[in-house]
This record gives sequence, C-alpha cells and structure tokens, in this order.
Amino acid sequence: EPEVTQTPSHQVTQMGQEVILRCVPISNHLYFYWYRQILGQKVEFLVSFYNNEISEKSEIFDDQFSVERPDGSNFTLKIRSTKLEDSAMYFCASSGVDRGLNEQYFGPGTRLTVT
Amino acid sequence: RKEVEQDPGPFNVPEGATVAFNCTYSNSASQSFFWYRQDCRKEPKLLMSVYSSGNEDGRFTAQLNRASQYISLLIRDSKLSDSATYLCVVNGNQGGKLIFGQGTELSVKP
Repeated sequence: EPEVTQTPSHQVTQMGQEVILRCVPISNHLYFYWYRQILGQKVEFLVSFYNNEISEKSEIFDDQFSVERPDGSNFTLKIRSTKLEDSAMYFCASSGVDRGLNEQYFGPGTRLTVT
Repeated sequence: RKEVEQDPGPFNVPEGATVAFNCTYSNSASQSFFWYRQDCRKEPKLLMSVYSSGNEDGRFTAQLNRASQYISLLIRDSKLSDSATYLCVVNGNQGGKLIFGQGTELSVKP
C-alpha cells in the first residue's frame, strides 16, 4: 500500500540554525500539507500546497517557514532560524484527486528538537 | 468556542465493550468530516470518513448531524488493539486544511 515517507525521523538542532524536513508524498497525489504537533497538544495545520504554490497557510507559518517541491517526488519544509518553540513533531500529508472528500494520509513524522 | 471539541476522556473500558465518542464543530460551512486514530507518538491514521447518511465499517459506525454540528463514532466489541487516541477532524474549506480536535484517549483492558 502506498504511503507517505519522511526523513529524518528525529532532528536535533541548535536555536538559530536552519533545518529542512523532507517528505515523499504518495506518488499520484496532487495536494500536500504540513502539520505540527507540540507534545501533549493537538495537531495543527501549517500549510497546504498545490500546483507548485501555497494554497493556504496558518498564522504559525510565518516568514521563517518555507515549502518547496524541488522535483517530482520530494516536498520539503524549511525553517530558517529555529526557535525553542519550534520543537514539535512535524507531519507531512498528501491527498489525491478527489479533493471534495480530501482524505489526507500522513507520514510517520519528524521529531524536531531545538536546543 | 473551540473549532472542534471532543469528550476529554480518557475512556477505560473492558474488552468487548461498546464505546461512543462525541464531537462538535463550530463552523457550519465545514464540508468533510473524519475520524483518525493516533497511537502514542505516531502519525494520525485515517480510520474513516463520515458521510451525511452515516456509515459503518465493521465494528465502527460514524454518524454526522449537520443541524447540530455533531459527529459521533461508535466502536462495538472493543479489542485491546483499539487502544489509542481518537481524533475528530473537520475540513472547513476548499483549501484542504484539516482542523483537529484535542482527541479522546481510549484504553481497552483485558
């Protein structure tokens, strides 16, 4: 069964450093998303991406964040200058053509720890 | 009012019990509704989409009441493997953004 993959599974970085989180969505999907979950809190939407541009972004997704689909398979989330409060689990998700239903499938996540 | 609100839990039930989860949402324009399950420190996994007419998948039954902005999930004959956090999720707009509830933890005991 096709699945979303993410690398790395765990990333430790120092405050102020740049990190890039990588995702490979399900191959025939057209819509891509990033979510985050701070420990003990609910899953929060960050950004959606379709047709090589951002469709929607949340208040969390400020100028420190960017997304890119550099080739036909990868979808990346970059945080330019990490803060302690960026420590969280970051999930990538993708959904297929039937956008009306919008069933999104999640990757296993990258645990980001900012020290 | 929270965008998606769920029973706080946790629910502790014996194997074989029937358990019901309730959820309300605030945006009447919401279009799609889902239940996901999340195991500890893992990704949310889609359990089922929720249709206006209600739908069933084996031991799981989901109901939607648009007038009351209420969604439910019923698990019959619960198994140890059903132990997880159940997330009520709503898609509010065409952009695809999913809005998650806080989740209700279920623990099924032998």
